[in-house]
Amino acid sequence: QSALTQPASVSGSPGQSITISCTGTSSDIGHYNYVSWYQHHPGKAPKLIISAVNNRPSGVSNRFSGSKSGNTASLTISGLQAEDEADYYCGSYTTKELLAVFGGGTRLTVL
Amino acid sequence: QVQLRESGPGLVKPSQTLSLTCTVSGASIRGGNYYWSWIRHHPGEGLEWIGYIYYSGDTHYSPSLRSRVSISLDTSKNRFSLRLTSVTAADTATYYCARSYSGSSTFDYWGQGTLVTVSS
Repeated sequence: QSALTQPASVSGSPGQSITISCTGTSSDIGHYNYVSWYQHHPGKAPKLIISAVNNRPSGVSNRFSGSKSGNTASLTISGLQAEDEADYYCGSYTTKELLAVFGGGTRLTVL
Repeated sequence: QVQLRESGPGLVKPSQTLSLTCTVSGASIRGGNYYWSWIRHHPGEGLEWIGYIYYSGDTHYSPSLRSRVSISLDTSKNRFSLRLTSVTAADTATYYCARSYSGSSTFDYWGQGTLVTVSS
């Protein structure tokens, strides 16, 4: 069982927007502004797309954005494209004796 | 461009030791300022952080695996390695190596991962 809770799947049509939630606790998401999001196409290396809740690394499309409220973080992808179809994972710093905790992953299907 | 690549046996027998290596290119693991981590993904579950090593050799491990895991550096070959002893089927997973800034839980570069199956 993952430390952070994500929906197993979401879907949307090209051009639409979708939001993926990531729920933690006051020991991780609720305690720190260190939520990250990763995009993973199977067979490839996971890619960092959001750091520190809402910062995009250089080269990441501005269609990706992040936010946080209380113990829940969210990733929004606007203007869905076929290439966005992938698994998405959230991660967070934690007060526990771990460097990071992660979510179970969300499979995004672009219809 | 920083690249990480995992290598090692894809099949390990129960009770034996799992050994994987992560070779880094495009960055020096002696460069400081970075943690070099191992992370695994159990089939159908989420990601699990295993541990990290710092360029100084300092390590930090997940409490749930601490008694069985060790991570080491080979600076001459710019790589770091994972050893997990007394493996069981529960250790079957895809293992990733990844980099983060020291003190950070944000992993900016990952390897493609390698599937390790524990089975007799």
